[in-house]
Amino acid sequence: AQSVSQHNHHVILSEAASLELGCNYSYGGTVNLFWYVQYPGQHLQLLLKYFSGDPLVKGIKGFEAEFIKSKFSFNLRKPSVQWSDTAEYFCAVNSNQGGKLIFGQGTELSVKP
Amino acid sequence: GAGVSQSPSNKVTEKGKDVELRCDPISGHTALYWYRQSLGQGLEFLIYFQGNSAPDKSGLPSDRFSAERTGGSVSTLTIQRTQQEDSAVYLCASSPQETGYGYTFGSGTRLTVV
Repeated sequence: AQSVSQHNHHVILSEAASLELGCNYSYGGTVNLFWYVQYPGQHLQLLLKYFSGDPLVKGIKGFEAEFIKSKFSFNLRKPSVQWSDTAEYFCAVNSNQGGKLIFGQGTELSVKP
Repeated sequence: GAGVSQSPSNKVTEKGKDVELRCDPISGHTALYWYRQSLGQGLEFLIYFQGNSAPDKSGLPSDRFSAERTGGSVSTLTIQRTQQEDSAVYLCASSPQETGYGYTFGSGTRLTVV
């Protein structure tokens, strides 16, 4: 069955700390991969996506993610977090043929000023 | 429109009543998706419409849930005989094509069943 697993449910960091949020997926076939962010009281927004090509993708606000096919992983990273990065982060996958996105459970990130 | 519009933004209903949730996608987007977001549960896929194709209903949790999309645009999600476990935020998203490129989410409808 198709699934996405996010290892951390809640991460607490101080400002300027480095961030890495884990994401593993189970999906037969070629995939598209996404990270979405939901700031408090706001709707889901796309952070970055991977369709093909360079497995290291860069998104908005200094975030990046690396697709490692052999590990079925798509971890999200940021070298130095800010208080404004406090939000919930969702990893998602779908087939490269399109269709529904399968989301992970989400990781809540709290950044202490 | 400029974004995906959902109405109502909040709905409180009594257990056993039927509710209808509306989604107005971005004009020209051929794909429309419904998800449910419950506390600590992430986003659960419900149903997906793509153009004139038969919808993918594989995520609907029970036969109390149904959805339609009229004229390839507006969609309505109906929950019959609501139960307390139906309380959640119901999110709609649309994309210009079915490849998953460019999902845009609405702000959701927060449903509370009392």
